[in-house]
Amino acid sequence: AQKITQTQPGMFVQEKEAVTLDCTYDTSDPSYGLFWYKQPSSGEMIFLIYQGSYDQQNATEGRYSLNFQKARKSANLVISASQLGDSAMYFCAMREYNTGFQKLVFGTGTRLLVSP
Amino acid sequence: DSGVTQTPKHLITATGQRVTLRCSPRSGDLSVYWYQQSLDQGLQFLIQYYNGEERAKGNILERFSAQQFPDLHSELNLSSLELGDSALYFCASSVGLAGGPRDNEQFFGPGTRLTVL
Repeated sequence: AQKITQTQPGMFVQEKEAVTLDCTYDTSDPSYGLFWYKQPSSGEMIFLIYQGSYDQQNATEGRYSLNFQKARKSANLVISASQLGDSAMYFCAMREYNTGFQKLVFGTGTRLLVSP
Repeated sequence: DSGVTQTPKHLITATGQRVTLRCSPRSGDLSVYWYQQSLDQGLQFLIQYYNGEERAKGNILERFSAQQFPDLHSELNLSSLELGDSALYFCASSVGLAGGPRDNEQFFGPGTRLTVL
């Protein structure tokens, strides 16, 4: 069964520093996708970045990059040059492609607080 | 703005009541997903519809039901409400089953916050 684990309930970082949010996953499907979403206090879920299991390079989207280590089954999110507006909950999620189900399975989230 | 709309934004009701949450997917998206986010259960997948047909079911209670209409909007019906049903209910949409993995990226609506008193 697919499973996502986020072991950091909360993280603190100073503005302009980089921060890594951890995510490990478990699946027996060789074809899967990994997603990171941001949820600010307003509640909406904002898509940040995607990594496919067959992608050769780590995904990057602006200040976000995904450190994908397939053998370790980890997909850590790196936020460079943190900004105050980055303070939010961050969720890692996974989708299996061969099961025929399209649901996203989410981790429990990490609350990031960026201080001035 | 993801392009997915949900109404209402907030809903307060009493135990035992029935409510309907509405979702309009992004233009061109055929798949609609419903998720529940609660403090104790986290974010959980409830159900998926694709082009009007139920495609996958998750941890959806029997008191809950959903449908997707010919115009592709979807409704989630919650009945015999209990205190524990208080949660943020998200609708997400994606292109659908065709195409590569990126085509199945799910875009989330702003959510409906349900409070059961």
